[in-house]
Amino acid sequence: NAGVTQTPKFQVLKTGQSMTLQCAQDMNHEYMSWYRQDPGMGLRLIHYSVGAGITDQGEVPNGYNVSRSTTEDFPLRLLSAAPSQTSVYFCASSYSSSGGATETQYFGPGTRLLVL
Amino acid sequence: QQQVKQSPQSLIVQKGGISIINCAYENTAFDYFPWYQQFPGKGPALLIAIRPDVSEKKEGRFTISFNKSAKQFSLHIMDSQPGDSATYFCAAVPQTGANNLFFGTGTRLTVIP
Repeated sequence: NAGVTQTPKFQVLKTGQSMTLQCAQDMNHEYMSWYRQDPGMGLRLIHYSVGAGITDQGEVPNGYNVSRSTTEDFPLRLLSAAPSQTSVYFCASSYSSSGGATETQYFGPGTRLLVL
Repeated sequence: QQQVKQSPQSLIVQKGGISIINCAYENTAFDYFPWYQQFPGKGPALLIAIRPDVSEKKEGRFTISFNKSAKQFSLHIMDSQPGDSATYFCAAVPQTGANNLFFGTGTRLTVIP
């Protein structure tokens, strides 16, 4: 198993450009999520999905869109990049989508995004 | 607003010493408390986790202590090693709704040989 994979590893954008961060998992996990990591702020949830066709907002959803057409893939779209979106983005997945679940959440290696 | 507060921000410990990282929360709906370890350039990885019905959980050199009444929990790393140098995040998962993680702000641990 490759686990959770993310592409690209690093990206530079200009303000106003759009792009899609890719996330895929081969563990047949029903739950997938996107976090951003900023210095001194830990990881914050952007969007999540409890199954194919179902998505919802996390703590910091503004400026981002997601869709979940398959179990395996959960892309994150930046519609019009802003310098405030400079961050490291992590995708995660787990078997369970239910609150309080104890199943391990597996994180991808991250995408480092710089918006100029 | 940070739902899980973590301290210290950074920690330097001698090899063989004990590393202690503390976290606190307010939301009583949290029902599962994992700790994640992150090495530079990598994604976080689950280290150890606890449910609030027990006060302590130990796995090797890593121990979580949990105080439900105080809404506090801590990670103890015994016999700290240079290979433990990493950033540690506490987190909390709510009992209902989706399996979302609410993270603390992280502690950068450096273990000096």
